[in-house]
Amino acid sequence: GAVVSQHPSRVICKSGTSVKIECRSLDFQATTMFWYRQFPKQSLMLMATSNEGSKATYEQGVEKDKFLINHASLTLSTLTVTSAHPEDSSFYICSARGGAMNTEAFFGQGTRLTVV
Amino acid sequence: GESVGLHLPTLSVQEGDNSIINCAYSNSASDYFIWYKQESGKGPQFIIDIRSNMDKRQGQRVTVLLNKTVKHLSLQIAATQPGDSAVYFCAEKGSGNEKLTFGTGTRLTIIP
Repeated sequence: GAVVSQHPSRVICKSGTSVKIECRSLDFQATTMFWYRQFPKQSLMLMATSNEGSKATYEQGVEKDKFLINHASLTLSTLTVTSAHPEDSSFYICSARGGAMNTEAFFGQGTRLTVV
Repeated sequence: GESVGLHLPTLSVQEGDNSIINCAYSNSASDYFIWYKQESGKGPQFIIDIRSNMDKRQGQRVTVLLNKTVKHLSLQIAATQPGDSAVYFCAEKGSGNEKLTFGTGTRLTIIP
């Protein structure tokens, strides 16, 4: 299957700082990327959908100014958590869809963000 | 062993036995369904998918069954192994809709 690489896998940051998470499709061009947030023992909650070269579409209740998404190329999308606070601590996961597998979405390894 | 998804979020099965994980979906317009396996601290891993024009699809040790009449999806895992212990999520996608909607998940524990 296709490979999606997410980096970093773990990050600890101080409250008030910003953190950038990268999501790369390694062997296909991702026309669409998705960002999810997952709380412990819960399901994945879609935060936003981004298409290459256009603005991301955010789900209801997700602050677009706090969670900045950039999808500048067909292989890279980034999520920046701005002015992070402890309540932003969570597991963030990206997925990518594109190429021949235009229906199936492949997931990155996830990023565990801890804000102290 | 068998789970009812939302009502039984955990399922324990003896190693070597078969397991059935169930999922009820709500959108009758959904036309594509996927089962994912998620191990602790990792992203979801694709297991098997099925389109709405099918009612059964088999993979290696796994079978997905789709009953559109009652909007029910199940994942059967044959001859379970310790490595099958994980949380399993069903996901659905509607026709013309890019987004996947995930179910609540079922934790499967294989007892040695």
